[in-house]
Amino acid sequence: DAGVTQSPTHLIKTRGQQVTLRCSPKSGHDTVSWYQQALGQGPQFIFQYYEEEERQRGNFPDRFSGHQFPNYSSELNVNALLLGDSALYLCASSLTSNEQYFGPGTRLTVT
Amino acid sequence: AQSVAQPEDQVNVAEGNPLTVKCTYSVSGNPYLFWYVQYPNRGLQFLLKYITGDNLVKGSYGFEAEFNKSQTSFHLKKPSALVSDSALYFCAVRDISSYIPTFGRGTSLIVHP
Repeated sequence: DAGVTQSPTHLIKTRGQQVTLRCSPKSGHDTVSWYQQALGQGPQFIFQYYEEEERQRGNFPDRFSGHQFPNYSSELNVNALLLGDSALYLCASSLTSNEQYFGPGTRLTVT
Repeated sequence: AQSVAQPEDQVNVAEGNPLTVKCTYSVSGNPYLFWYVQYPNRGLQFLLKYITGDNLVKGSYGFEAEFNKSQTSFHLKKPSALVSDSALYFCAVRDISSYIPTFGRGTSLIVHP
């Protein structure tokens, strides 16, 4: 049974560019959440998708957007990248919003 | 609003000794509580959760946690620490009316041989 997978593993972008991160949930899970984890901090909630709709959103600007596909996989898009967007981006999947299963993350570096 | 506090940035313990990683929380309603562990350059791994029922919850790798409603605490414990337990530990809380957990800043556990 495959767990949560994310791609790419690492990514380097320059300021102003756009980036797309991808996530495949654990088999049987229908809910996908995205988190930003800055160095030395806990994960900060970006948004959650359920049934292809954004169900809840954290305190992140509109530059951060997402999508969930019919197979429950998800994408996180960030436009107009800033240096401060450099972080580990974590995807987590769950069923019925109980415990979340996290992927290994995508390390984004903005230069 | 919901919040989590992990008052210790780092906990040091000798191998074989018991360990405790502290967590206190604040929610407006009844809490769902979680502990996760993160190894370097990895995502978070679920350890255990409290939803309802017994206050002592047993989880993966010999870890357990005690829910204390009066003290609004959910401390993580293990009777005998292993060097391989060294990692970053996160406590998270979710109000039953919310879909989203709030994570603490994390506590670095260092187990010395």
